[in-house]
Amino acid sequence: EDQVTQSPEALRLQEGESSSLNCSYTVSGLRGLFWYRQDPGKGPEFLFTLYSAGEEKEKERLKATLTKKESFLHITAPKPEDSATYLCAVQPTNAGNNRKLIWGLGTSLAVNP
Amino acid sequence: DTGVSQDPRHKITKRGQNVTFRCDPISEHNRLYWYRQTLGQGPEFLTYFQNEAQLEKSRLLSDRFSAERPKGSFSTLEIQRTEQGDSAMYLCASSPGFDGDEQFFGPGTRLTVL
Repeated sequence: EDQVTQSPEALRLQEGESSSLNCSYTVSGLRGLFWYRQDPGKGPEFLFTLYSAGEEKEKERLKATLTKKESFLHITAPKPEDSATYLCAVQPTNAGNNRKLIWGLGTSLAVNP
Repeated sequence: DTGVSQDPRHKITKRGQNVTFRCDPISEHNRLYWYRQTLGQGPEFLTYFQNEAQLEKSRLLSDRFSAERPKGSFSTLEIQRTEQGDSAMYLCASSPGFDGDEQFFGPGTRLTVL
């Protein structure tokens, strides 16, 4: 069964304290892996798409990496405004025409000043 | 702003009433998705449109839920005879289709059923 697991469920960091969030997945074949940021009461905001093992994407203090079994979202020197829930979603190769995503439960990140 | 928009942002209703939500996707995006999200969960797929055709509907979706996208542009999601268990955030997303699989989400409609 296709599955996405994110860890940790919650993470509290001090401002400037770098860390990584994990997204492990089990799918028969990977078409793409997506990272989103979600603030309370708002819709998810698209961050990155990764398609193949070894691929990396960067945006400001965030860098996403991909292996054959997992993805990491590295946060370098985080600021309080990085506090949010980070969601990972996987699109299997057998997703069909609807390109359906399989979602993790997210990691809730809090960055203290 | 050319992002996905949803209306209303918040809806409070009494059990048994009907509600309708609207989604305006990013222009030229031919794929449109409806999701439901509750606290601490990832988005739960409800239904999918390619242009005006509804191509998939979640088996978890009861007959009280119906969605339309009459001209392949905006979409509506109607819930009839609402129940307290319908309380959730309803999210709409659009995707360009052939040019990419990224889904871009609207701000959501928060439904509270009393």
